[in-house]
Amino acid sequence: GQQLNQSPQSMFIQEGEDVSMNCTSSSIFNTWLWYKQDPGEGPVLLIALYKAGELTSNGRLTAQFGITRKDSFLNISASIPSDVGIYFCAGLSGGANSKLTFGKGITLSVRP
Amino acid sequence: DADVTQTPRNRITKTGKRIMLECSQTKGHDRMYWYRQDPGLGLRLIYYSFDVKDINKGEISDGYSVSRQAQAKFSLSLESAIPNQTALYFCATQGGSYTGELFFGEGSRLTVL
Repeated sequence: GQQLNQSPQSMFIQEGEDVSMNCTSSSIFNTWLWYKQDPGEGPVLLIALYKAGELTSNGRLTAQFGITRKDSFLNISASIPSDVGIYFCAGLSGGANSKLTFGKGITLSVRP
Repeated sequence: DADVTQTPRNRITKTGKRIMLECSQTKGHDRMYWYRQDPGLGLRLIYYSFDVKDINKGEISDGYSVSRQAQAKFSLSLESAIPNQTALYFCATQGGSYTGELFFGEGSRLTVL
């Protein structure tokens, strides 16, 4: 089946630093999404991307839909302690009845 | 109040017991999903339902069953729980725009001893 690759499994950064996360696949996706899971909560959508090459920002977050449609990245600028959590990429490859494929997630820790 | 509510939030049970995890939503969404989360494995789809009369298996449905009692309710059952079903379980809904945005509940942590 389709797989989305996220690595490393964990990242540790200092407060104030920028961080970038990649998500890659051997398959083409038509929609890329980034979710964040806070400790003890369910995942919440951060950013959705619908066109190859699209660059979208949401506050300190910026995400891009790769032009090959096989990858996406998420940047977090000027990290703060509440950025801690698990970041999942997800992709949709088909039409209205297609299901999301999730990456395994990256756990981000931010040192004060 | 949460739009997607899961009960129980935590449950400890013994091998062989029957367990039901319940999910209710007030978002009016037709599509509902059950996922399982394990450390390092991400979110894996167990079952999904596109409307009340529709039930579909996901990638890891063995050992699980579901019931869609109404548009707002989707329950997950473990007929005979085993220790490797110890995990965090999430229910999610999806609206009609099919943009890929899922709305997750807060999760149900199940421990099977």
